[in-house]
Amino acid sequence: DIQMTQSPSTLSAFVGDRVTITCRASQSISRWLAWYQQKPGKAPKLLIYKASSLEVGVPSRFSGSGSGTEFTLTISTLQPDDFATYYCQQYNTFPLTFGGGTKVDVK
Amino acid sequence: QVQLVQSGAEVKKPGASVKVSCKTSGYPFSIYIISWLRQAPGQGLEWMGCISPGNGNTNYTQRFQGRVTLTTDTATTTSYMELRGLTPDDTAIYFCARGVDYLAHWGQGALVTVSS
Repeated sequence: DIQMTQSPSTLSAFVGDRVTITCRASQSISRWLAWYQQKPGKAPKLLIYKASSLEVGVPSRFSGSGSGTEFTLTISTLQPDDFATYYCQQYNTFPLTFGGGTKVDVK
Repeated sequence: QVQLVQSGAEVKKPGASVKVSCKTSGYPFSIYIISWLRQAPGQGLEWMGCISPGNGNTNYTQRFQGRVTLTTDTATTTSYMELRGLTPDDTAIYFCARGVDYLAHWGQGALVTVSS
């Protein structure tokens, strides 16, 4: 199975900060990577697919980059609604696998 | 609009089985594969497997092979996940989602609690 490693596991930030989360794959996954936001008690929400494509309706302050084994999710200007847990997920190979998550909380 | 609505919370004893449903609407049911995932309390997301409603083909992760069965009912556009031999470690929220690549549409989740 492809292992997905996210860092950091927790990130404390202020509203207005620029936030970057990193995801590394244990082998190349080309650009077959998605990012999700999850809030407590809710299903994950798709933010980014194919490494950098913004899902319809997702604010443009979210962006993704990378290919191969290294990927990043950036929130350009953190908003109050963005405090949540973020997951990366590869869909290059079965089984689909997820990173361990990055919790973004208030500094 | 695309909707996936799951059945309610369940409490089961160790050794029992559970069957969670996922009623879909708003799109051609047979065209899109449905994935099933779970999330243990305070933990990350784990993909369990998927099923193609069009032909019934399934793909299960090795971890759940032999213990989980995914099915669909095209008449009611519903998918089902049955998990057998429950242990307390199976306590989790179980999600269905449309697709087998990036997952844009999810059910609301069904909490399954396994306790004696």
